[in-house]
Amino acid sequence: GAVVSQHPSWVICKSGTSVKIECRSLDFQATTMFWYRQFPKQSLMLMATSNEGSKATYEQGVEKDKFLINHASLTLSTLTVTSAHPEDSSFYICSAGTDIYEQYFGPGTRLTVT
Amino acid sequence: GDSVTQMEGPVTLSEEAFLTINCTYTATGYPSLFWYVQYPGEGLQLLLKATKADDKGSNKGFEATYRKETTSFHLEKGSVQVSDSAVYFCALSSGGSNYKLTFGKGTLLTVNP
Repeated sequence: GAVVSQHPSWVICKSGTSVKIECRSLDFQATTMFWYRQFPKQSLMLMATSNEGSKATYEQGVEKDKFLINHASLTLSTLTVTSAHPEDSSFYICSAGTDIYEQYFGPGTRLTVT
Repeated sequence: GDSVTQMEGPVTLSEEAFLTINCTYTATGYPSLFWYVQYPGEGLQLLLKATKADDKGSNKGFEATYRKETTSFHLEKGSVQVSDSAVYFCALSSGGSNYKLTFGKGTLLTVNP
């Protein structure tokens, strides 16, 4: 149980285009989903917290107009990287929270912007 | 703010060796503490957790004890296997309504046969 999927697992896009990444909780309902960014050999950096039916809460330094987050249902959150640039290339990971002590993580999406 | 410091890797061990990965934290209040594991090509998985001082989390032969006096949560395993090769992340949550996790940088463990 408690499986979180992400789609796509790997995407390459041209600079200036937008990319959407989906995060789904497959067998449970998640009131809260989180989006992280992971650089090579670095920790996960929380980008934003997404609550179903409300606006996402972004961490300091994260551009909300560049990283659009939508949490339209209890099983789906999406992250759209708008006008992507090479510096946005990274590994994006989502997680879904079911209670105060535990989050379940997706396998991640590798974004490469050329 | 909250922060987690864990020993930098990589750590390379032979099978059946003893493992310790150090983790210390800084947090306001009384956080919950976690160890997550990331196997190659997979997402993070919760390995163990402890929610209050002196609690010991354990799973799959791994253990960690919540030490409030030293603000530490060191991960240990008495006899590692090749299948334990992965990246290990120490993390804390200060609770609240959004369960925000703060992670350490991760420690790559490689176990050789």
